[in-house]
Amino acid sequence: QSALTQPPSASGSPGQSVTISCTGTSSDVGGYNYVSWYQQHPGKAPKLMIYEVSKRPSGVPDRFSGSKSGNTASLTVSGLQAEDEADYYCSSYAGSNGGYVFGTGTKVTVL
Amino acid sequence: QVQLVESGGGVVQPGGSLRLSCAASGFTFSSYGMHWVRQAPGKGLEWVAFIRYDGSNKYYADSVKGRFTISRDNSKNTLYLQMNSLRAEDTAVYYCAKSSGALYPTEVNYWGQGTLVTVSS
Repeated sequence: QSALTQPPSASGSPGQSVTISCTGTSSDVGGYNYVSWYQQHPGKAPKLMIYEVSKRPSGVPDRFSGSKSGNTASLTVSGLQAEDEADYYCSSYAGSNGGYVFGTGTKVTVL
Repeated sequence: QVQLVESGGGVVQPGGSLRLSCAASGFTFSSYGMHWVRQAPGKGLEWVAFIRYDGSNKYYADSVKGRFTISRDNSKNTLYLQMNSLRAEDTAVYYCAKSSGALYPTEVNYWGQGTLVTVSS
């Protein structure tokens, strides 16, 4: 049960796009289409932004999109807005032995 | 609306025990799997445990296996986490979290506000 690997930080100017990677193994990210992404603002509970690799829950702007290739998943935030500044975590189902695993987290800064 | 309210956090000495509870409302509790997720101060999210909708199967992180026990009482719409042999590294905010599915630990679509557990002498 090793944490999925994310870059510690990412940034972009308002209106630009930023992409965050999430690298796992064939036992988690690569083995199942159960990759999710969460947004967390300081002092708040996380919020689900993407599930099953690329699906958006109701109410999440379509500026947020997800994808996966092999053992690496990605979250893209297009048209960056000030309120997108937050920590982002990926996660994945890891099978009956692995359970569930989160990524190391990425702090997104809107310049 | 979905509400998850944790309780039971506090300060405990190393080696001690604590039981967290999570009161659920606004959805059919007995139809969904439930997670516990924790976050140490200034650190990232760490998945702790998951229990199936009917309590028939449980999954644990290696870091807590053998020390923590997740359980649920569907008649009381309540989730529990029994924590034994607590260590300093268990210090964290513990979140109760609802899974979108019933059987396997998949995405969390609702979170509680968390309860702080501090393990210190």
